[in-house]
Amino acid sequence: KNEVEQSPQNLTAQEGEFITINCSYSVGISALHWLQQHPGGGIVSLFMLSSGKKKHGRLIATINIQEKHSSLHITASHPRDSAVYICADLPNTGNQFYFGTGTSLTVIP
Amino acid sequence: DVKVTQSSRYLVKRTGEKVFLECVQDMDHENMFWYRQDPGLGLRLIYFSYDVKMKEKGDIPEGYSVSREKKERFSLILESASTNQTSMYLCASSFRMTSGRETQYFGPGTRLLVL
Repeated sequence: KNEVEQSPQNLTAQEGEFITINCSYSVGISALHWLQQHPGGGIVSLFMLSSGKKKHGRLIATINIQEKHSSLHITASHPRDSAVYICADLPNTGNQFYFGTGTSLTVIP
Repeated sequence: DVKVTQSSRYLVKRTGEKVFLECVQDMDHENMFWYRQDPGLGLRLIYFSYDVKMKEKGDIPEGYSVSREKKERFSLILESASTNQTSMYLCASSFRMTSGRETQYFGPGTRLLVL
């Protein structure tokens, strides 16, 4: 059974802190998707990765296929980063994404 | 920019009513998806469609049906709404790629309350 688990569930940080959100999954995958959900519901795709590391501005995503683990890092966090961050995996044997329950991040000025 | 729009942001319906949720995308995407999002459960796939008039069940299709008569529009239908269908409904779309690793673009969501 494909399980996608995120940690922590909730995270509060001071502005400027380095933040790490973790995602573990239980089956072989062909891709992992990191998404950001703003208050009010809108979801934005941040990264799609299948190996290594990707960087976009202050956001960095890494994946270790052997350990079935991915991390999302935010450097120099800012209050506008406050959102729910969701990871989703695409199993090798399937054609749909499976989503974690999300990590709620609050960055305090 | 890709734009995915949903017909309503908030909807209140009574038990037994027929409910239509509409989703429109403007990027000529082949794939369209309907999810529901509930606290503690994450997003769960209800139905998806790879092409016009084609549909496939996701993980939780019971109590729902869908319609895709035009490429840009994907409708979710609750034939007889029940209180356990109170949820946030999210539509998404993507290109179809052979790798399957298509980035999905989401609509703003519809918060449905069934009384």
